[in-house]
Amino acid sequence: AQTVTQSQPEMSVQEAETVTLSCTYDTSESDYYLFWYKQPPSRQMILVIRQEAYKQQNATENRFSVNFQKAAKSFSLKISDSQLGDAAMYFCAYSPFGNEKLTFGTGTRLTIIP
Amino acid sequence: GAGVSQTPSNKVTEKGKYVELRCDPISGHTALYWYRQSLGQGPEFLIYFQGTGAADDSGLPNDRFFAVRPEGSVSTLKIQRTERGDSAVYLCASSLGTGISGANVLTFGAGSRLTVL
Repeated sequence: AQTVTQSQPEMSVQEAETVTLSCTYDTSESDYYLFWYKQPPSRQMILVIRQEAYKQQNATENRFSVNFQKAAKSFSLKISDSQLGDAAMYFCAYSPFGNEKLTFGTGTRLTIIP
Repeated sequence: GAGVSQTPSNKVTEKGKYVELRCDPISGHTALYWYRQSLGQGPEFLIYFQGTGAADDSGLPNDRFFAVRPEGSVSTLKIQRTERGDSAVYLCASSLGTGISGANVLTFGAGSRLTVL
């Protein structure tokens, strides 16, 4: 069974600084997808970024980028120029290729310090 | 609609009662998912519909939980004889479906918070 581990229950960062959220996963599959979702107090899960495992190039979306290390089964999220609106719970998630069922980690609560 | 809509937003019920939670997915999305998010946890998969049929219901915790999607659009999650342990946020998500361009990207609703007293 696949598992996703987020070892940082809480993180904080000064506004405009950079922060990295960690995620590791376990799978026997060779093709899969990895995601970072943001959940603000409104509860709606919002997709931040996704990575296809067969692509070696790390995904980027504006201020958000990932460091995908397939051999180490590591998938960290880097947020640059942190903004107050980035404050939320962040969940790392996995789904095998051809199957959209997501397995989530337990989340990291990110606080932005003004 | 423009997004995934879930009703009610909040539901408080008494132990032993029956509840229904509704999900209205994005128009044209054939795949629909239900997840349960307990306090301090990540969402956990419950059931997946492709069209009208439940393609994977392996996450339903027991036979008190049931979900339907009779016309391939709106889905209802039904919980019988509710227990305090059922208290959680129930999230619905939809997508275009596996194999179609853009697959594996779920759009979530804001969830229904269920509190069982």
